[in-house]
Amino acid sequence: NAGVTQTPKFQVLKTGQSMTLQCAQDMNHEYMSWYRQDPGMGLRLIHYSVGAGITDQGEVPNGYNVSRSTTEDFPLRLLSAAPSQTSVYFCASSYLKTGRDAAYEQYFGPGTRLTVT
Amino acid sequence: GQQVMQIPQYQHVQEGEDFTTYCNSSTTLSNIQWYKQRPGGHPVFLIQLVKSGEVKKQKRLTFQFGEAKKNSSLHITATQTTDVGTYFCAAPTPYNQGGKLIFGQGTELSVKP
Repeated sequence: NAGVTQTPKFQVLKTGQSMTLQCAQDMNHEYMSWYRQDPGMGLRLIHYSVGAGITDQGEVPNGYNVSRSTTEDFPLRLLSAAPSQTSVYFCASSYLKTGRDAAYEQYFGPGTRLTVT
Repeated sequence: GQQVMQIPQYQHVQEGEDFTTYCNSSTTLSNIQWYKQRPGGHPVFLIQLVKSGEVKKQKRLTFQFGEAKKNSSLHITATQTTDVGTYFCAAPTPYNQGGKLIFGQGTELSVKP
C-alpha cells in the first residue's frame, strides 16, 4: 500500500491564481480530512469527509472547496489564492481500528508546502 | 467552538532528562489522541485514550487521560535524541467519534546530546 499520497510536494502561486492539491489513499478508509499547519498554530482542520459524496466544513474552510466523488480521492481546491493561504497542507485518512486498542487512527500524507506571493 | 490547549509550546531538555506536555479542554472529551511529528515530516499516530483515568505506556512514553476526561498528558522518561519533534494532542469534535479532530498547538521538543 502507498498509504496517503499528496501532490505536488511544493507549489508557488501568485495571488489570485487557482489550483488543486491532490490527495489519494489506497487503504479504503471512509474518513478523509484536510489540515493546514502554520507555525505556533498546530494543525487546523479545513474540510472533512465521512465518505464518497459527503463533506463537511472544519475550523478554517473559507477560500477552500472540496469534493469526494470516490473513496480514494479528496482534492482540495483554492479558487483564488491569497498570501494568507501560504502554509503546509496535510491530507489524512482514518478508519475505526477495532480490537483491544480501538481508535480512529489518522494516517497523514507527506504534505504540500504552498507559497502564495 | 471546541478548543484544545496544549502547553508548553517549546521544551528544551538535556538528553536523559524527562519531558511532559499537557493538553486541556473546557469540555468533556470522548477520547484523546496523541501524534508525533519529526522535523520536516508528517504527524504519526501514537495512541488513543478513551477511559476516564486511563494510563497507557509505550516504552519510555506514558500517556494519561484525566478523571474528568478534560485533560491529558504525555510524559517521556529519560529523553533521547530520537525523541526530537513536535507532539500533538487531538480530540474529536462534539458528536464525532471518527476523523474530525481538533488539534492542540503542539509542543516542540528539542534534546541536547
